[in-house]
Amino acid sequence: DAKTTQPPSMDCAEGRAANLPCNHSTISGNEYVYWYRQIHSQGPQYIIHGLKNNETNEMASLIITEDRKSSTLILPHATLRDTAVYYCIVLLTGNQFYFGTGTSLTVIP
Amino acid sequence: DAGVIQSPRHEVTEMGQEVTLRCKPISGHNSLFWYRQTMMRGLELLIYFNNNVPIDDSGMPEDRFSAKMPNASFSTLKIQPSEPRDSAVYFCASSWEGLGSGNTIYFGEGSWLTVV
Repeated sequence: DAKTTQPPSMDCAEGRAANLPCNHSTISGNEYVYWYRQIHSQGPQYIIHGLKNNETNEMASLIITEDRKSSTLILPHATLRDTAVYYCIVLLTGNQFYFGTGTSLTVIP
Repeated sequence: DAGVIQSPRHEVTEMGQEVTLRCKPISGHNSLFWYRQTMMRGLELLIYFNNNVPIDDSGMPEDRFSAKMPNASFSTLKIQPSEPRDSAVYFCASSWEGLGSGNTIYFGEGSWLTVV
């Protein structure tokens, strides 16, 4: 089963790009990489997911390395409202969606 | 569209009392999940239903916890009797069909439980 490793915390200046790394060196070929975030007191919020190709949506971009052993979530212009815990998840067997400890991102004015 | 709806949002109860948490998944979704979040243990998957059938309840802490899904639009998580260590935020989430195909799950806003 693939596990993920994320730095426990990061800071980012407001208006700058926030780059959040995730290592998933044991990922299998058919396992997706998902990113969620959780703002204090709220439920986890879906951000983006991908399999092999880089993905972009209105919230963020997901860059997956060619060997798929790591990925980076990019928030292009971080705002104070992006302060949250960001979770990188690799889908395990079936539908068992497990969360790790995540990265606590603080956007600084 | 309405998201996952949970009730109550906040509950304070005395030790030994029965607690029932409720969840209405997103219409059309056929998978439902109950999670618990604490500072010590983070987000833990308690139980997962598919097409109203419990598929994996290995995360349910003990016999005091039970979950049901009588139909596609409603699920309950019951704690009887409740204990102070059950104090946590309980999240319900739902998804359409298997996550292995790249679908995603959507969470409710949680039920904050305090057992005193």
